[in-house]
Amino acid sequence: LAKTTQPISMDSYEGQEVNITCSHNNIATNDYITWYQQFPSQGPRFIIQGYKTKVTNEVASLFIPADRKSSTLSLPRVSLSDTAVYYCLVGDLAGNNRKLIWGLGTSLAVNP
Amino acid sequence: GAVVSQHPSRVICKSGTSVKIECRSLDFQATTMFWYRQFPKQSLMLMATSNEGSKATYEQGVEKDKFLINHASLTLSTLTVTSAHPEDSSFYICSASRFSGENTGELFFGEGSRLTVL
Repeated sequence: LAKTTQPISMDSYEGQEVNITCSHNNIATNDYITWYQQFPSQGPRFIIQGYKTKVTNEVASLFIPADRKSSTLSLPRVSLSDTAVYYCLVGDLAGNNRKLIWGLGTSLAVNP
Repeated sequence: GAVVSQHPSRVICKSGTSVKIECRSLDFQATTMFWYRQFPKQSLMLMATSNEGSKATYEQGVEKDKFLINHASLTLSTLTVTSAHPEDSSFYICSASRFSGENTGELFFGEGSRLTVL
């Protein structure tokens, strides 16, 4: 099971782009990279998922270098409502016994 | 998108009583559901994997007789905290997996249930 390392906290201001990098040096061939967002007293919410290169959806972009030992979640033009904890997870999504190790995540604070 | 619903969102109970938390997948069939516990300012800790029609698989250190899990249908899993004590107070979250294709998929999480044991 791949362990991930990400900054404990980050600060930003409204309208800025925020990039959160996650290290996963022992990622396995079948592992996908998934990012979740969690607000206080709520369940995590899926943001984006990728395997390699770049993935973009309506809320974020995910950049994955060729060696896949890290990934960067990019949030364009953050707002106050983006203040949350962001988790990077790495795992094999096939099969029914998938387990993902949850780290402490990155607590993002967006200031006015 | 897929929705996983958890109920109740908050529950307060007296020490020694049992509490049941329900987790439902509303628009897809979930053969596997996961139960997590999260203490304040900490990450999610997987408690058990719930498989429809079979016994749950518990993580090391989680007492199966205290945290009873039942996954009777493809859309419902329940977690019962038996003889709850104050140290069981926590935020309990369920998730269900839906596969999009080979080696891809997504975990959908419930809203969480805040248990407070007095």
